[in-house]
Formats: sequence, C-alpha cells, structure tokens
Amino acid sequence: GESVGLHLPTLSVQEGDNSIINCAYSNSASDYFIWYKQESGKGPQFIIDIRSNMDKRQGQRVTVLLNKTVKHLSLQIAATQPGDSAVYFCAGLYSGGGADGLTFGKGTHLIIQP
Amino acid sequence: DGGITQSPKYLFRKEGQNVTLSCEQNLNHDAMYWYRQDPGQGLRLIYYSQIVNDFQKGDIAEGYSVSREKKESFPLTVTSAQKNPTAFYLCASSPTMIRQPQHFGDGTRLSIL
Repeated sequence: GESVGLHLPTLSVQEGDNSIINCAYSNSASDYFIWYKQESGKGPQFIIDIRSNMDKRQGQRVTVLLNKTVKHLSLQIAATQPGDSAVYFCAGLYSGGGADGLTFGKGTHLIIQP
Repeated sequence: DGGITQSPKYLFRKEGQNVTLSCEQNLNHDAMYWYRQDPGQGLRLIYYSQIVNDFQKGDIAEGYSVSREKKESFPLTVTSAQKNPTAFYLCASSPTMIRQPQHFGDGTRLSIL
C-alpha cells in the first residue's frame, strides 16, 4: 500500500548547525509533497511544499530536496535555532487523489542542543 | 487575522455520550478536513468536505459524524459508537483539494472520564 515515512523518530543537533530531516515515500505516482512543523500542543504549521516537476525548492532558511528516482525527500534547515525545536513531518499527495490521497508520515522530533 | 479556530481546546467525554468539536475558518476555503492524531502516529483522515452540503468518509470514519451547512464551519461529532475516542483532533482547510497545502487549527484534545 501507499506510505510516507520519516527515517528517524528523533534528531538532535547543535544550535547553529544545519539540520536534515529525511522522508521516503512508496507511491511513485505521488506528485506533491508538503513539510509541516508541529510544536507541542499546537496544530501543524505549513513550512514548504514541492511539486514533482521540481528537484529543489528554497524558502526562508529551509530547503526541500526531492529525489524521484529513489522516492526520497528531505528538509534542510539552515543555522538551526531553539525555536526550530518541534516535530516535523512530511505529507505526500498522489496524482488523481482527493483528500484521501494525502498521506502523512509519523514525524521526526528535532531537538536543539545549546 | 485569517485562520482556523477549534474549540474547545480540551474536552472530556463520559461513557455513552456524544460530543461535538467545533471548527470555524475565515480563510474562505472550500475544502475542510478532520484528522485524528495519536501519540507517535501520523495524522489519519476522519472526514473531509470539498464544498458546502457535501462530505466524504476518510480512512477512520466509523464512530464519527460531520455536517457542512456553512462554508465556514465543519463540526465533528464523536459518537458513543467510537470506542477509543481519546486523541488529539485536528481540523484543516485548503482553497481546493488539489495540490495545495492544508492549514490547520490548534486542535482539540479529547479524553474519557
């Protein structure tokens, strides 16, 4: 079946370093991906999205890379700050899917070490 | 500011009781969604609505019901038939359902007394 999942449940990085959070997907028909940030007790917050006709997209301090060959995407956060501490998860939508075509991963908890 | 408002933030249910979770958006979005989040799990879709007076079951609709009488509102009722209702419930909306990010409210945490 279709699945979207993150590689690590927890990632610990030093403040100021770059963070890389990885996500794999199984459905080769997936053509749209979203990264969300969720802080404790709050709803997910949209970070960045990417369509399958792109390999890379940049936002403010964040970059998403998409490798369709190996069905993998990553979220890179530059110069990690204490406020980046949260759970990050990816979601994928496959072509022709409605709402039930959007699949969410389980999340990676990013911990910032001082 | 535009956004999605969920209420209440915390809710307690007694055995055999139905409870309703509120979700209101002022983003003028057509599509709205309800998800359930359990610890260490990804979001699972309960119900979604593409347009007023229309809604569809998601992956885990059993024990839940919804209505969409107004564009701004998409309340979720957790019925007594839902035997494991303790979870964090999230409401989301998007302009349409195709290749656009969903924007989320801050959730309602439901517990059983």
